[in-house]
Amino acid sequence: EAQVTQNPRYLITVTGKKLTVTCSQNMNHEYMSWYRQDPGLGLRQIYYSMNVEVTDKGDVPEGYKVSRKEKRNFPLILESPSPNQTSLYFCASSPLSAGGWSYEQYFGPGTRLTVT
Amino acid sequence: LAKTTQPISMDSYEGQEVNITCSHNNIATNDYITWYQQFPSQGPRFIIQGYKTKVTNEVASLFIPADRKSSTLSLPRVSLSDTAVYYCLVGAGNFNKFYFGSGTKLNVKP
Repeated sequence: EAQVTQNPRYLITVTGKKLTVTCSQNMNHEYMSWYRQDPGLGLRQIYYSMNVEVTDKGDVPEGYKVSRKEKRNFPLILESPSPNQTSLYFCASSPLSAGGWSYEQYFGPGTRLTVT
Repeated sequence: LAKTTQPISMDSYEGQEVNITCSHNNIATNDYITWYQQFPSQGPRFIIQGYKTKVTNEVASLFIPADRKSSTLSLPRVSLSDTAVYYCLVGAGNFNKFYFGSGTKLNVKP
């Protein structure tokens, strides 16, 4: 089944304790992206990647890191989480058109992170 | 990034046609307009995408005027299961950065 998976689905952690949220897709998509969703703010893009070893900042990259060492995986790293990073996080992937733009994004089930 | 403005919420009744309009005054030449649907506690799901004029698929139609500063998602004959948040998304083009906005919460009543 074509899908985007995220782990963990739920995580409660403390301020400053490094954590990684994994994202994996089995559709051979070039494009992957991370979003956070907060009440009243919709989805905001954190980072995205056009292909292996190619990443770029989205709208709200502060406090986050990403890496793209393999095409299928795009982990989100919080080096020193803070309470304002408490949010619902979504990973997404998409094929790229011949012109290099993302068409339909497929979203994972989400990771609910609480930082105390 | 081109920002989008949508109504916060809309109410409708089963069987009616629903039109949700999105304003995107600063859309760039290379930007496409995409609409997503999101149910509570789930990731968004792609509905439709277009660049200009009209696009139709099995679930919706997308109307884009010539100046592309707005777009309208049309859902024919909605049902209770169409109750969800609908996001208008402008982006892609050369940079593949996306701005979702706050979405429109559609409430379909029986």
